[in-house]
Amino acid sequence: QVQLVQSGSELKKPGASVKVSCKASGYTFTSYSMNWVRQAPGQGLEWMGWINTNTGNPTYAQGFTGRFVFSLDTSVSTAYLQISNLKAEDTAVYYCARSYGGDLDSWGQGTLVTVSS
Amino acid sequence: EIVMTQSPATLSVSPGERATLSCRASQTVGSNLAWYQQKPGQAPRLLIYGASTRATGIPARFSGSGSGTEFTLTISRLQSEDFAVYHCQQSNDWYTFGQGTKLEI
Repeated sequence: QVQLVQSGSELKKPGASVKVSCKASGYTFTSYSMNWVRQAPGQGLEWMGWINTNTGNPTYAQGFTGRFVFSLDTSVSTAYLQISNLKAEDTAVYYCARSYGGDLDSWGQGTLVTVSS
Repeated sequence: EIVMTQSPATLSVSPGERATLSCRASQTVGSNLAWYQQKPGQAPRLLIYGASTRATGIPARFSGSGSGTEFTLTISRLQSEDFAVYHCQQSNDWYTFGQGTKLEI
């Protein structure tokens, strides 16, 4: 069955960087795009952008340019989200979710990133 | 950016009753609308895509309707496991989500 398994929770200080992984299994990794979605505490879902798993070309939503980087290692069917220069407002759960067309049909379990001094 | 507005923010319904959740888009999204269910501490789960097509394994008591700018998710005969937060999402112009509707007992 399709599974997206994300790396564990992270506690980081302001200014540090974090890299979240999302390992896919149960399907052909390059047949689906990978998206990243943020959910701040008690808030709704925010689409951060997506990465083309065939070309590696990322697309970032408004508000997620500069400090956010999507990448892949197709040899291990894994997508990555790196956030640099972390700020307190980056504290959130980050989800990976695959898409084929418009809907996000499978989601990772989420990774909590906490930014605190 | 297309803004998605869900109403109400919170809906209180009794088990066995029907729930109707609304989602409005700031401009037309055609039928490029999905609904997700999210329970506390869990990832969202796709319920409906293409405005009205149930995702694999979703019970028939969940139904979606609408097109253009107005959409509805209806849950007939609510069961205890249906109390959760529901999000709508458009995919006509990149992706944007509504702020969610909390369905409570």
